[in-house]
Amino acid sequence: DAMVIQNPRYQVTQFGKPVTLSCSQTLNHNVMYWYQQKSSQAPKLLFHYYDKDFNNEADTPDNFQSRRPNTSFCFLDIRSPGLGDAAMYLCATSRELADNNEQFFGPGTRLTVL
Amino acid sequence: AQSVTQLGSHVSVSEGALVLLRCNYSSSVPPYLFWYVQYPNQGLQLLLKYTTGATLVKGINGFEAEFKKSETSFHLTKPSAHMSDAAEYFCAVTYNAGNMLTFGGGTRLMVKP
Repeated sequence: DAMVIQNPRYQVTQFGKPVTLSCSQTLNHNVMYWYQQKSSQAPKLLFHYYDKDFNNEADTPDNFQSRRPNTSFCFLDIRSPGLGDAAMYLCATSRELADNNEQFFGPGTRLTVL
Repeated sequence: AQSVTQLGSHVSVSEGALVLLRCNYSSSVPPYLFWYVQYPNQGLQLLLKYTTGATLVKGINGFEAEFKKSETSFHLTKPSAHMSDAAEYFCAVTYNAGNMLTFGGGTRLMVKP
C-alpha cells in the first residue's frame, strides 16, 4: 500500500543533543511537509518542500532544519533540542500545492527531551 | 489571514446518539475545507473535504459535513456514534495559498457506552 512512513515512532533525546527524525513516502508526491503538534494542540506547520524547493514558515525557529535528498525521503533535524521541543512531529505529503489536494499524514514521531 | 474556530474542545455523546462537531471559518474568498480525525498516537486521517460542487459532503465512517457559505460553517455530523469514533477531530481550511492547511484547535470526541 502506498503510504507515509515515519521512523522512529518514539524518540528520546537529551537536552541539547542533536536529533534527526525520518519520513519516507511511496506515493511519489511532489510536496512533503513537517508539522509540530504539542499536547492537546493543533498541528503547526514548520516547513515544506515542493520537489527540492524548501519553504520555511516565518515563525519556525532556526533550531529546526530539514533535508530532502530525494523524492521519497525527508528529514527533520533539531540541532539543539530544548524541553519545549518535546512534541509529536508529523510528516505529510500531497501530490501538488493546489489547495484542493489532500494531505496524507504519517503516524508521527513522538519526541521526548530529557 | 484565514482562521478556523472549532466550538467545544471536548464533546461527549452516548453511543448511538447524534454527533455534531462545529467548525466556523473566516474568509473573504471561497475556501477549501477539510475534516481530519486523529486517533491516539497516530497521524491525521482525512474524513472528508469540500472543494466545489455539492455542499453536503459524505466521508468515511458514516460522517458527513455541510458547507454553509452564509453561516461560514462546515459542521461535521454522524447520525449514530460508535465507541470507535472516540478521537480528536480537526477542521482545516486552505485558500489559494499553496495548499497550506490552517487547523482549528481540535475537538476531542468522547463516546459513552
